Amino acid sequence: AQKITQTQPGMFVQEKEAVTLDCTYDTSDPSYGLFWYKQPSSGEMIFLIYQGSYDQQNATEGRYSLNFQKARKSANLVISASQLGDSAMYFCAMRDRKKTALIFGKGTTLSVSS
Amino acid sequence: GAGVSQSPSNKVTEKGKDVELRCDPISGHTALYWYRQRLGQGLEFLIYFQGNSAPDKSGLPSDRFSAERTGESVSTLTIQRTQQEDSAVYLCASSPRPSGIGETQYFGPGTRLLVL
Repeated sequence: AQKITQTQPGMFVQEKEAVTLDCTYDTSDPSYGLFWYKQPSSGEMIFLIYQGSYDQQNATEGRYSLNFQKARKSANLVISASQLGDSAMYFCAMRDRKKTALIFGKGTTLSVSS
Repeated sequence: GAGVSQSPSNKVTEKGKDVELRCDPISGHTALYWYRQRLGQGLEFLIYFQGNSAPDKSGLPSDRFSAERTGESVSTLTIQRTQQEDSAVYLCASSPRPSGIGETQYFGPGTRLLVL
């Protein structure tokens, strides 16, 4: 069955530090995509980064990068040089060919302090 | 054009009443999704519309929940005889084409529903 696991309920980091948010996934489909979304306290879901299962390189988008380890079924989000505005809930999500909708993890709350 | 919009932004209702939640997708987006997010939880899929195809209703939690969409425009999610466990944020998302694996979904701000 498809499943996303985020084991860190909360993470705390200081400004300018890097932080890694963990995500593991499970699917039997060799073709799948992994997404990270940010949800600030305002509630909107903001798309951050995408990694396809056949992509040869780890995805990067500005300060966001995805540490994709296929054999371990992990897709950790790395945020470099944290900023106060990065404080939010972060969700890992997956889609494969069996289900069009995204399957979400329970999220990790990131708090960035000055 | 503009992003996904949802209305109302907040809704308080009494147990047993019916509620209607509205979603306006991004213009030209053929795929539309409804999700539910309970407090402190991730998003749960409810229903998916793709163009004029039959919707995927596999995530609807009970027959009190229904949704409609006319063509590629507005969608309405209806909850009949609301229960306190229906209290949640209801999020709508749209994507531009028949969804492939990598198709990004763009979310609206959500409707916060509180059932007293």
